[in-house]
Amino acid sequence: AQRVTQPEKLLSVFKGAPVELKCNYSYSGSPELFWYVQYSRQRLQLLLRHISRESIKGFTADLNKGETSFHLKKPFAQEEDSAMYYCALSGERELSFGAGTTVTVRA
Amino acid sequence: SQTIHQWPATLVQPVGSPLSLECTVEGTSNPNLYWYRQAAGRGLQLLFYSVGIGQISSEVPQNLSASRPQDRQFILSSKKLLLSDSGFYLCACHTNGLFFGSGTQLSVL
Repeated sequence: AQRVTQPEKLLSVFKGAPVELKCNYSYSGSPELFWYVQYSRQRLQLLLRHISRESIKGFTADLNKGETSFHLKKPFAQEEDSAMYYCALSGERELSFGAGTTVTVRA
Repeated sequence: SQTIHQWPATLVQPVGSPLSLECTVEGTSNPNLYWYRQAAGRGLQLLFYSVGIGQISSEVPQNLSASRPQDRQFILSSKKLLLSDSGFYLCACHTNGLFFGSGTQLSVL
Protein backbone atom coordinates (compact mmCIF):
# COMPACT_ATOMS: atom_id res chain seq x y z
CA ALA A 1 0.00 0.00 0.00
CA GLN A 2 1.11 3.55 -0.61
CA ARG A 3 0.74 6.31 1.90
CA VAL A 4 1.68 9.97 2.17
CA THR A 5 2.00 11.79 5.47
CA GLN A 6 2.14 15.53 5.98
CA PRO A 7 2.56 15.96 9.74
CA GLU A 8 1.81 19.69 9.85
CA LYS A 9 -1.72 20.90 9.19
CA LEU A 10 -0.80 24.53 9.68
CA LEU A 11 2.45 26.39 9.18
CA SER A 12 2.93 30.08 9.88
CA VAL A 13 6.11 31.94 9.00
CA PHE A 14 7.21 35.53 8.61
CA LYS A 15 7.98 37.02 5.25
CA GLY A 16 11.61 36.46 4.38
CA ALA A 17 11.98 33.50 6.70
CA PRO A 18 12.72 30.00 5.43
CA VAL A 19 9.84 27.59 5.13
CA GLU A 20 9.89 23.81 5.02
CA LEU A 21 6.88 21.59 4.51
CA LYS A 22 7.41 18.01 5.56
CA CYS A 23 6.29 15.03 3.56
CA ASN A 24 6.98 11.38 4.27
CA TYR A 25 5.83 8.45 2.20
CA SER A 26 5.63 4.70 2.24
CA TYR A 27 5.69 2.75 -1.00
CA SER A 28 7.25 -0.55 -1.90
CA GLY A 29 8.23 0.42 -5.43
CA SER A 30 10.15 3.30 -6.92
CA PRO A 31 8.15 6.41 -6.02
CA GLU A 32 7.21 9.33 -8.19
CA LEU A 33 6.49 12.33 -6.00
CA PHE A 34 4.82 15.68 -6.52
CA TRP A 35 3.90 18.84 -4.70
CA TYR A 36 0.59 20.51 -5.47
CA VAL A 37 -0.54 23.96 -4.40
CA GLN A 38 -3.92 25.62 -4.08
CA TYR A 39 -4.00 29.39 -3.75
CA SER A 40 -7.09 31.09 -2.45
CA ARG A 41 -9.97 30.88 -4.95
CA GLN A 42 -7.84 29.06 -7.51
CA ARG A 43 -7.80 25.49 -8.63
CA LEU A 44 -5.38 22.95 -7.32
CA GLN A 45 -2.29 22.88 -9.52
CA LEU A 46 0.99 21.09 -9.88
CA LEU A 47 3.91 22.90 -8.25
CA LEU A 48 6.79 20.56 -8.95
CA ARG A 49 7.79 16.95 -9.64
CA HIS A 50 10.78 15.21 -8.17
CA ILE A 51 11.83 13.72 -11.50
CA SER A 52 12.25 17.20 -12.96
CA ARG A 53 14.57 18.34 -10.19
CA GLU A 54 13.28 21.83 -10.85
CA SER A 55 12.80 24.94 -8.81
CA ILE A 56 9.42 26.60 -9.15
CA LYS A 57 8.67 29.96 -7.54
CA GLY A 58 11.78 29.47 -5.43
CA PHE A 59 10.60 26.13 -4.05
CA THR A 60 12.68 22.98 -4.22
CA ALA A 61 12.09 19.46 -3.01
CA ASP A 62 14.57 16.62 -2.80
CA LEU A 63 13.63 13.00 -2.70
CA ASN A 64 15.42 11.22 0.14
CA LYS A 65 14.84 7.52 -0.32
CA GLY A 66 16.71 6.63 2.86
CA GLU A 67 14.38 8.74 4.96
CA THR A 68 11.42 8.24 2.60
CA SER A 69 10.87 11.97 2.54
CA PHE A 70 10.14 14.67 -0.02
CA HIS A 71 10.19 17.89 1.95
CA LEU A 72 9.35 21.16 0.21
CA LYS A 73 11.63 24.11 0.96
CA LYS A 74 11.95 27.77 0.19
CA PRO A 75 14.73 29.89 1.69
CA PHE A 76 12.77 33.17 1.78
CA ALA A 77 9.00 32.95 2.05
CA GLN A 78 6.82 35.58 0.36
CA GLU A 79 3.28 36.60 1.22
CA GLU A 80 2.05 35.20 -2.08
CA ASP A 81 3.23 31.77 -0.95
CA SER A 82 0.30 31.60 1.44
CA ALA A 83 -1.69 28.61 0.21
CA MET A 84 -2.60 25.00 0.80
CA TYR A 85 0.12 22.55 -0.17
CA TYR A 86 -0.31 18.87 -0.87
CA CYS A 87 2.36 16.23 -1.23
CA ALA A 88 1.42 13.38 -3.55
CA LEU A 89 2.81 10.02 -4.55
CA SER A 90 2.13 8.32 -7.84
CA GLY A 91 1.82 4.60 -7.44
CA GLU A 92 1.02 1.90 -9.91
CA ARG A 93 -2.58 2.86 -10.35
CA GLU A 94 -3.35 5.99 -8.41
CA LEU A 95 -2.12 9.23 -6.99
CA SER A 96 -2.24 9.42 -3.20
CA PHE A 97 -2.27 12.73 -1.39
CA GLY A 98 -1.24 13.80 2.05
CA ALA A 99 -3.74 15.65 4.21
CA GLY A 100 -2.28 18.99 3.18
CA THR A 101 -0.48 21.84 4.95
CA THR A 102 -1.89 25.33 5.08
CA VAL A 103 0.90 27.87 4.91
CA THR A 104 0.42 31.44 6.09
CA VAL A 105 3.17 33.95 5.43
CA ARG A 106 2.88 37.01 7.63
CA ALA A 107 4.29 40.42 6.82
CA SER B 1 -1.77 20.47 -23.12
CA GLN B 2 -4.88 19.04 -21.60
CA THR B 3 -7.87 21.04 -20.41
CA ILE B 4 -10.33 19.75 -17.86
CA HIS B 5 -13.90 20.97 -17.85
CA GLN B 6 -15.95 20.33 -14.77
CA TRP B 7 -19.49 21.47 -14.07
CA PRO B 8 -21.43 22.80 -12.35
CA ALA B 9 -19.24 25.00 -10.18
CA THR B 10 -21.72 25.05 -7.33
CA LEU B 11 -24.72 22.91 -6.56
CA VAL B 12 -27.28 22.90 -3.79
CA GLN B 13 -29.37 19.77 -3.57
CA PRO B 14 -31.91 18.44 -1.06
CA VAL B 15 -31.27 15.23 0.81
CA GLY B 16 -32.52 12.25 -1.16
CA SER B 17 -32.20 13.89 -4.55
CA PRO B 18 -30.01 12.47 -7.34
CA LEU B 19 -26.64 13.83 -8.38
CA SER B 20 -24.72 14.02 -11.61
CA LEU B 21 -21.39 15.83 -11.91
CA GLU B 22 -19.69 15.80 -15.25
CA CYS B 23 -16.05 16.06 -16.22
CA THR B 24 -14.61 16.16 -19.72
CA VAL B 25 -11.01 16.31 -20.85
CA GLU B 26 -9.52 17.86 -23.95
CA GLY B 27 -6.05 17.67 -25.40
CA THR B 28 -5.18 14.12 -24.49
CA SER B 29 -6.38 10.64 -25.23
CA ASN B 30 -6.84 7.58 -23.05
CA PRO B 31 -6.16 9.50 -19.84
CA ASN B 32 -6.40 8.14 -16.33
CA LEU B 33 -9.25 10.04 -14.71
CA TYR B 34 -10.02 10.59 -11.05
CA TRP B 35 -12.70 11.94 -8.75
CA TYR B 36 -11.49 13.41 -5.48
CA ARG B 37 -13.34 14.98 -2.60
CA GLN B 38 -11.69 17.78 -0.69
CA ALA B 39 -13.01 18.25 2.81
CA ALA B 40 -11.88 21.00 5.13
CA GLY B 41 -9.07 19.77 7.35
CA ARG B 42 -9.11 16.34 5.76
CA GLY B 43 -7.17 16.84 2.57
CA LEU B 44 -7.95 15.09 -0.66
CA GLN B 45 -9.76 11.78 -0.64
CA LEU B 46 -9.68 9.62 -3.74
CA LEU B 47 -13.17 8.42 -4.56
CA PHE B 48 -12.87 6.76 -7.97
CA TYR B 49 -10.35 6.32 -10.71
CA SER B 50 -10.62 5.03 -14.25
CA VAL B 51 -7.96 3.79 -16.62
CA GLY B 52 -10.32 3.42 -19.57
CA ILE B 53 -13.88 3.38 -20.87
CA GLY B 54 -16.13 1.41 -18.57
CA GLN B 55 -13.30 0.72 -16.11
CA ILE B 56 -13.99 2.15 -12.67
CA SER B 57 -12.20 1.46 -9.41
CA SER B 58 -13.61 2.63 -6.12
CA GLU B 59 -11.38 3.49 -3.22
CA VAL B 60 -13.91 3.96 -0.44
CA PRO B 61 -17.36 2.54 0.20
CA GLN B 62 -19.88 5.29 -0.19
CA ASN B 63 -23.13 6.57 -1.51
CA LEU B 64 -21.61 7.63 -4.81
CA SER B 65 -20.87 5.92 -8.11
CA ALA B 66 -18.87 6.82 -11.20
CA SER B 67 -19.08 6.01 -14.87
CA ARG B 68 -16.91 6.55 -17.90
CA PRO B 69 -19.09 6.31 -20.98
CA GLN B 70 -16.48 7.85 -23.28
CA ASP B 71 -12.70 8.09 -23.28
CA ARG B 72 -12.64 11.67 -22.10
CA GLN B 73 -15.81 11.81 -20.02
CA PHE B 74 -16.08 10.92 -16.35
CA ILE B 75 -19.32 11.22 -14.40
CA LEU B 76 -19.92 11.17 -10.66
CA SER B 77 -23.41 10.18 -9.60
CA SER B 78 -25.67 9.38 -6.72
CA LYS B 79 -29.22 8.08 -6.65
CA LYS B 80 -30.01 9.63 -3.26
CA LEU B 81 -27.79 12.26 -1.71
CA LEU B 82 -26.93 12.26 1.97
CA LEU B 83 -25.99 15.23 4.13
CA SER B 84 -22.50 13.73 4.43
CA ASP B 85 -22.04 13.97 0.66
CA SER B 86 -21.56 17.72 0.97
CA GLY B 87 -18.09 18.77 -0.03
CA PHE B 88 -15.85 20.00 -2.77
CA TYR B 89 -15.43 17.53 -5.63
CA LEU B 90 -12.51 17.60 -8.00
CA CYS B 91 -12.07 15.80 -11.29
CA ALA B 92 -8.48 15.16 -12.33
CA CYS B 93 -6.52 13.80 -15.25
CA HIS B 94 -3.11 12.18 -14.86
CA THR B 95 -0.51 12.95 -17.51
CA ASN B 96 2.97 13.56 -16.10
CA GLY B 97 1.31 14.79 -12.97
CA LEU B 98 -2.25 15.32 -11.97
CA PHE B 99 -4.20 18.18 -13.50
CA PHE B 100 -7.40 19.26 -11.85
CA GLY B 101 -10.69 20.71 -12.88
CA SER B 102 -12.00 23.80 -11.17
CA GLY B 103 -14.15 21.77 -8.81
CA THR B 104 -17.79 21.59 -7.75
CA GLN B 105 -18.94 22.79 -4.36
CA LEU B 106 -21.84 20.54 -3.41
CA SER B 107 -24.13 21.45 -0.54
CA VAL B 108 -26.71 18.90 0.49
CA LEU B 109 -29.44 20.42 2.65
